[in-house]
Order: sequence, then C-alpha cells, then structure tokens
Amino acid sequence: NAGVTQTPKFQVLKTGQSMTLQCAQDMNHNSMYWYRQDPGMGLRLIYYSASEGTTDKGEVPNGYNVSRLNKREFSLRLESAAPSQTSVYFCASSGGQGPYTEAFFGQGTRLTVV
Amino acid sequence: AQSVTQPDIHITVSEGASLELRCNYSYGATPYLFWYVQSPGQGLQLLLKYFSGDTLVQGIKGFEAEFKRSQSSFNLRKPSVHWSDAAEYFCAVAPGGFQKLVFGTGTRLLVSP
Repeated sequence: NAGVTQTPKFQVLKTGQSMTLQCAQDMNHNSMYWYRQDPGMGLRLIYYSASEGTTDKGEVPNGYNVSRLNKREFSLRLESAAPSQTSVYFCASSGGQGPYTEAFFGQGTRLTVV
Repeated sequence: AQSVTQPDIHITVSEGASLELRCNYSYGATPYLFWYVQSPGQGLQLLLKYFSGDTLVQGIKGFEAEFKRSQSSFNLRKPSVHWSDAAEYFCAVAPGGFQKLVFGTGTRLLVSP
C-alpha cells in the first residue's frame, strides 16, 4: 500500500525554469493538498483540492499553479522558479467526506532554486 | 484568523524522563486538533487527533494529549521518552471541520542519554 507518492524526491532548478511536482494517492481520498515547509515556519498550505474538479488557494499560492488531473493525482507547477521557492514540498490527501479525517503525507520533494 | 502556537522551538529531554510539548490555538469554536511527528528527511506521521468527546486522547508510540477548552490548548505528553522519539513535532488545527490544516511552527525534540 503506497499511500501518497511524490516525484521527484530532489530537484535543483535555475531561476526562471519551470517544473511540475507530481503527487498520486491510492487511498481513494477526495481531498488533496500541497504544503511547503520552511525552517521555523512549519507547513503552509499552497493549494488544495476538496474534490475532483475543484481547486482553491491556500495561504501562499503566489507563483504556483495546480491541476487535479483525476481523483488520484494532484500536481503542483512552478512556472518561473525563484530562489524564494526553495523549500520542501509535501503533498497530502484526506478522506474529506463529512467530518474532517486525518491527512496522510507523502515523503516530500526537496527543491532548490539557484 | 486561525493560528497555532508552539512556544518551544527546541526541547531537550533525558531518556526516560517525561515530556510535555505545548500547543495553543486561536479559534472561536472547538476545532479538530492533531499532533504529527516528522523524523529527519521524512514525511509527517499522525500521532493522535481530537474531534470531540473525551478530552484525553491516546495515540501511537505511547503519546497522549489533553484538550483544555478553557486554555485553548492541546498539549502532547509522554511519560518516558525513548531516544527514538527525537524528531520534530507539529500541532495542527482544522478549524470547524474544514479540510485546511493550519500548522504550528514545530518543536524539535532532542533526547540526551
């Protein structure tokens, strides 16, 4: 049972380059999320998708776009990477039906923008 | 706006000693409350959660947490710490049952021999 799978695990980009972080879950969850983790700041929500076909901004959406490709997959795109986007990115999913259920997290993608 | 405060950035505890990690939240109603643990280079693992009912909740790895509405707190405890508990611990809130988790800044636990 893989849970939440993120690719790639590590990435180095030059300023201005673009890339897409991939996330897939095999738990038949409705809701999916993208967080970034920075030292001393905890995890901050970038975008989320409460159900297939919907996406909404979180706390720090600027510079990012997302696509909920289907129920399993939720990708995060950086169109023009900036050094301020150097961070560890986590994808998560949750059941999302009725009362909130726990979120399950992927192993993270460590992104460095030089 | 909803917020979560973890006032301790680092805590060092001797192996075998008890542990309490503090968490306070700012929200009008009772939110859903969580504690997650993150080992170095890993994702987050849920330790325990509180939705309603008994205010003392038990989690995995011998952890427990107590919800105190009057203090807007949800502190994490463990009676005897093991070296393998060294990690970063995050308190999180889901206000009003909605899915967007708000995380605290984390507390890094160091365990000394």
